[in-house]
Amino acid sequence: AQRVTQPEKLLSVFKGAPVELKCNYSYSGSPELFWYVQYSRQRLQLLLRHISRESIKGFTADLNKGETSFHLKKPFAQEEDSAMYYCALMSGGYNKLIFGAGTRLAVHP
Amino acid sequence: DGGITQSPKYLFRKEGQNVTLSCEQNLNHDAMYWYRQDPGQGLRLIYYSQIVNDFQKGDIAEGYSVSREKKESFPLTVTSAQKNPTAFYLCATRGGGRGNEQFFGPGTRLTVL
Repeated sequence: AQRVTQPEKLLSVFKGAPVELKCNYSYSGSPELFWYVQYSRQRLQLLLRHISRESIKGFTADLNKGETSFHLKKPFAQEEDSAMYYCALMSGGYNKLIFGAGTRLAVHP
Repeated sequence: DGGITQSPKYLFRKEGQNVTLSCEQNLNHDAMYWYRQDPGQGLRLIYYSQIVNDFQKGDIAEGYSVSREKKESFPLTVTSAQKNPTAFYLCATRGGGRGNEQFFGPGTRLTVL
């Protein structure tokens, strides 16, 4: 079964601390994975995708096929990073997205 | 943000009533999607449409219906058959090509009284 698991509902850190939001997936085939972010009172928006291998707002995510993981990392968290983060897996020919349950990141001053 | 509008922002419904949520886009995107967002469950796909006059059931289509008569519009009807309709509903679009991102609307919060 195709599935995305985000084990942490809430991740609470202090400003300047490293952050790692975990994402594991189950998919037969070559996966395409995304991280979406939802800031308070804003729309859900794409943060990054694994095929781009880019860093956005200091965040990076590496696809590890052996561990079936796509963890989101940032070396120094900022207060403005506080948001809801969703890991998503593209599935099937219609480009459907399968979302994880989401992790709320709270960065404290 | 522009491009995708959803209305109304808040909607209250009595049990037994059907309600229709609007989703309009001016991005000229072919594909459109409806998701339901519940606390602790992430987003779940209700229906999706790749082109006009075509749509497919998602993972939780029971109690919902859609139409796609125009490229710009993909309304979602929540029927009285939906057992637990109180949720936040998100509409999304996607441009052409595999791997293109989905763009999301601001959402409609439906509450059943």
